[in-house]
Amino acid sequence: EVQLVESGGGLVKPGSSLKLSCVASGFTFSSYGMHWIRQAPKKGLEWIALIYYDSSNKYYADSVKGRFTISRDNSKNTLYLEMNSLRSEDTAMYYCAKGAGSPDYWGQGVMVTVSS
Amino acid sequence: DIQMTQSPASLSASLEEIVTITCQASQDIGNWLSWYQQKPGKSPQLLIYGATSLADGVPSRFSGSRSGTQYSLKISRLQVEDIGIYYCLQAYSAPPTFGAGTKLELK
Repeated sequence: EVQLVESGGGLVKPGSSLKLSCVASGFTFSSYGMHWIRQAPKKGLEWIALIYYDSSNKYYADSVKGRFTISRDNSKNTLYLEMNSLRSEDTAMYYCAKGAGSPDYWGQGVMVTVSS
Repeated sequence: DIQMTQSPASLSASLEEIVTITCQASQDIGNWLSWYQQKPGKSPQLLIYGATSLADGVPSRFSGSRSGTQYSLKISRLQVEDIGIYYCLQAYSAPPTFGAGTKLELK
């Protein structure tokens, strides 16, 4: 059974940093691209980052480019999102999702709240 | 970036009714279109990928179609468990972009 479990969220102040993790199981993690997708409260889905299976390519939404970094450790079956210079508009539920094309499995999400 | 215009924004329908949601792509995306269902408090679930292929475990009352750059999700006989918000996603080119969502409610 495919499982994606996010962690690392919380309440932080504007300008702070946070690193999210997503531990994968139930599939060959090293064979799949992975996404981070977020959803602000009562809002729609916003794609924010994609990393290829071998980390050879990374893509970012303009809204997070230069502040967020996606990475992975295939030996640990873990996806990361390092978030710097956090803003109030980054407040959202953050999901990791499997599959570089149409993501077919999503984690349960982790909440990040940026507030003073 | 490719824009996905999804309509309607909200929809109220009766049980057993046929429901159709559409997404219009701002340019050609081939069949790189998927549909997701999100129930309250839950993460999105894949329904359709490749514009027309049904994801594993998804009831056959769901179907996807394409006409040029317009994509449709059809629910043939609405059930109570189909209530939620539906999103389309294009993965033809980076950045992937979602439609704004369609909130489906029971009449």
